[in-house]
Amino acid sequence: EVQLVESGGGLVQPGGSLRLSCAASGFSFSIYWTHWVRQAPGKGLVWVSLINTDGSMTRYADSVKGRFTVSRDNAKNTLYLQMNSLRVDDTAVYYCARGRWADYWGQGTLVTVSS
Amino acid sequence: QSALTQPPSASGSPGQSVTISCTGTSSDVGYYNYVSWYQQHPGKAPKLMIYEVNKRPSGVPDRFSGSKSGNTASLTVSGLQAEDEADYYCSSFTTTNVDVFGGGTKLTVL
Repeated sequence: EVQLVESGGGLVQPGGSLRLSCAASGFSFSIYWTHWVRQAPGKGLVWVSLINTDGSMTRYADSVKGRFTVSRDNAKNTLYLQMNSLRVDDTAVYYCARGRWADYWGQGTLVTVSS
Repeated sequence: QSALTQPPSASGSPGQSVTISCTGTSSDVGYYNYVSWYQQHPGKAPKLMIYEVNKRPSGVPDRFSGSKSGNTASLTVSGLQAEDEADYYCSSFTTTNVDVFGGGTKLTVL
């Protein structure tokens, strides 16, 4: 069974940092591109970042470029999102999703940025 | 990276058909055949319903179909069922090599 499990969310003050993880199982993680997508409470989906199979290509939404870094460890079947200089408007549930078309999603991890 | 434009709401009675539009520009929807549609029930993770404009993943009912004309993509749900009531989001690849979502459409089954 394909599973994606996000972790690492929590409460952080503005300007702080967090690292999210997405543990993959039930499929060959190393052959899939992977996305991060976020959803603020009561709002719509917003695409955040994309990484290719070996991590050599990454893409970011303008709103997070220069602050967030996506990476992966294929040996550990894990995707990461390092989030620095966090802002109040980064508050959201963060999802990881498999493949170029995001055919499987995790259940998300909540990041709350507040003082 | 402007969001794609979707109507905030749509509705239909059981058995009817409803179409949700997704309007972009010549730099995203109009440029690539890389439009996807996602269904999201309250409190749940999104689910892929359509990819590459009109392809259905395994397990998605053929009541769901996608199309595109110019800068506008569309999702049609035929034979509406109560379980189709959900939020629907479109997404497209763009010429700046990033993805963008629409604002979402709340589909109500009357």
